[in-house]
Amino acid sequence: QSALTQPPSASGSPGQSVTISCTGTSSDVGGYNYVSWYQQHPGKAPKLMIYEVSKRPSGVPDRFSGSKSGNTASLTVSGLQAEDEADYYCSSYAGSSVVFGGGTKLTVL
Amino acid sequence: EVQLVESGGGLVKPGGSLRLSCAASGFTFSNYSMNWVRQAPGKGLEWVSSITSRSYIYYADSVKGRFTISRDNAKNSLYLQMSSLRAEDTAVYYCARDIIAVAGTSLDYWGQGTLVTVSS
Repeated sequence: QSALTQPPSASGSPGQSVTISCTGTSSDVGGYNYVSWYQQHPGKAPKLMIYEVSKRPSGVPDRFSGSKSGNTASLTVSGLQAEDEADYYCSSYAGSSVVFGGGTKLTVL
Repeated sequence: EVQLVESGGGLVKPGGSLRLSCAASGFTFSNYSMNWVRQAPGKGLEWVSSITSRSYIYYADSVKGRFTISRDNAKNSLYLQMSSLRAEDTAVYYCARDIIAVAGTSLDYWGQGTLVTVSS
């Protein structure tokens, strides 16, 4: 149950696009289409942004999209807005367990 | 409106025990997998345990043998019995609901969290 690997930080200017990666192994990200992404603002509970690699829950803007290639999943935020500044975590099913990434702090410049 | 409200956190000495509860409302509790996820101060999220609607149970290696997850569908409640607590168990513990049947993979509603501090 090793943590998935995310870059500690990412940034972009308003209106730009930014992509956050999440690298695992064939035992988690690469082995299942159960990758999720969560947004967490300081002092708040996480919010589900993407599940099953690329599905968006109701209410999540279509500026948020997810994808996967091999053992690496990605979250892309298009048309960056100030309120997108937050921590983002990926997670993956790993066969009878779940593993999270270490988190990426997204800064909107 | 879906609501998840955790309770039971507090200060406990190393080796001690604590029972967390999560009261659910606004949805048919028995139909959903439920989970505990924790976050140590200033750190990232860590999955702790899941229980499916059919009461299949899964644990992270870090808590296996020390924590017990359970649910009471009649009371719309989720529990986490924690024993042999260690300093590294100090965290905010969140209760969260799964949107799909594969437990722990898509947590669409979260509680506000309850803080557990393990210290002498």
